[in-house]
Amino acid sequence: DVKVTQSSRYLVKRTGEKVFLECVQDMDHENMFWYRQDPGLGLRLIYFSYDVKMKEKGDIPEGYSVSREKKERFSLILESASTNQTSMYLCASSWSTRDTNYGYTFGSGTRLTVV
Amino acid sequence: QQQVKQSPQSLIVQKGGISIINCAYENTAFDYFPWYQQFPGKGPALLIAIRPDVSEKKEGRFTISFNKSAKQFSLHIMDSQPGDSATYFCAASMDSNYQLIWGAGTKLIIKP
Repeated sequence: DVKVTQSSRYLVKRTGEKVFLECVQDMDHENMFWYRQDPGLGLRLIYFSYDVKMKEKGDIPEGYSVSREKKERFSLILESASTNQTSMYLCASSWSTRDTNYGYTFGSGTRLTVV
Repeated sequence: QQQVKQSPQSLIVQKGGISIINCAYENTAFDYFPWYQQFPGKGPALLIAIRPDVSEKKEGRFTISFNKSAKQFSLHIMDSQPGDSATYFCAASMDSNYQLIWGAGTKLIIKP
């Protein structure tokens, strides 16, 4: 069964801390994504990557950075956590050819609370 | 032009009824339209998807209806069951672009 694994289900961090959220996929997918999900706001794209060492800003990249040193791993970094970054963070991966898009596979999410 | 508008925001349906969720888009270059289902505490999972060369796709109790001229597509859940209670997201993309554009989500509750 194909999988996207997020390292933590629940995290509590203090304001100002540097926070690392890790995501690993075992499907050899080229594309990986980080979203945050908040009630009433749906899924908002933070960053995505279509290849190793490549990254693109999504709709809400401020306060975040990412790292993709290996194809299977995509890390989200909160440089200095703030309370407005309290949210559910979802990682996804997908496969696409030149002509065809395929569905995303999501992890189970990390619920981050910043106090 | 990149938006996907989803309605309703929430929906309550009696067990055995038909649940209908609608989405509308503007970008005529979109050519892939998936629906995702999300249970509490889980990430969204691909439920069913359609491409614009067909007007309908059915998988079990789930059907996507696609109206290219109206730029609308909808999810129908026949014989809705309490286990279908979840949040449903529509999305759209162009095959030349691997990014999905998401609807805002519909929270569906099936009453026993």
